[in-house]
Amino acid sequence: DIQMTQSPSSLSASVGDTVTITCRASQSINRYLNWYQQKPGKAPELLIYAASSLQSGFPSRFSGSGSGTDFTLTISSLQPEDFVTYYCQQSYSIPRTFGQGTKVEIK
Amino acid sequence: EVQLVESGGGLVQPGGSLRLSCAASGFTFSNYWMNWVRQAPGKGLVWVSRINSDGRTTTYADSVRGRFTISRDNAKNTLYLQMNSLRDEDTAVYYCAKTSHSGDYWYFDLWGRGTLVTVSS
Repeated sequence: DIQMTQSPSSLSASVGDTVTITCRASQSINRYLNWYQQKPGKAPELLIYAASSLQSGFPSRFSGSGSGTDFTLTISSLQPEDFVTYYCQQSYSIPRTFGQGTKVEIK
Repeated sequence: EVQLVESGGGLVQPGGSLRLSCAASGFTFSNYWMNWVRQAPGKGLVWVSRINSDGRTTTYADSVRGRFTISRDNAKNTLYLQMNSLRDEDTAVYYCAKTSHSGDYWYFDLWGRGTLVTVSS
């Protein structure tokens, strides 16, 4: 199974800050990497697919990059609704595996 | 409205069984692979199983293989998860999720709100 490791597990930031979340795969996954946003008590929502393609409905302050084993999710100019949890997920092989999540908290 | 709605969760004793359902609407259900993903309380997301569009191909996580069975009824636009020999560690919110793709890139683009399964004596 491919292991996905996110860092950090949590971070504190202020409204207007720019933050970066990292996701590392245990083997190369090309660009088969997705990001999901999960609000408390809600289902996850697809945020970015194929490492850098922004899902419809999300603002351009969200961006993704990377290929191979190292990927990043960047959120520019954090807004109050962005202080939630983010997960990466690989779609290179079965079983699909997720990172452990990164909780973005208000400082 | 495009949506997935899960049902069937509840409290069950260890060793018991439960069947989850996921009703799809607003899209052509029979065209898409479907999945179950679970989330234990306070924990992360774990993929459980998937089924192809016509129901003939299924795949399972090692942790549930032999105990859980995924199926679908395309005439009823409904996905199922039959869970047998339940264990404490199966306690989680179970989400159904639709698979879509862009070229070779696959992702879960629609999720239900989830149904809670609690395994406890």
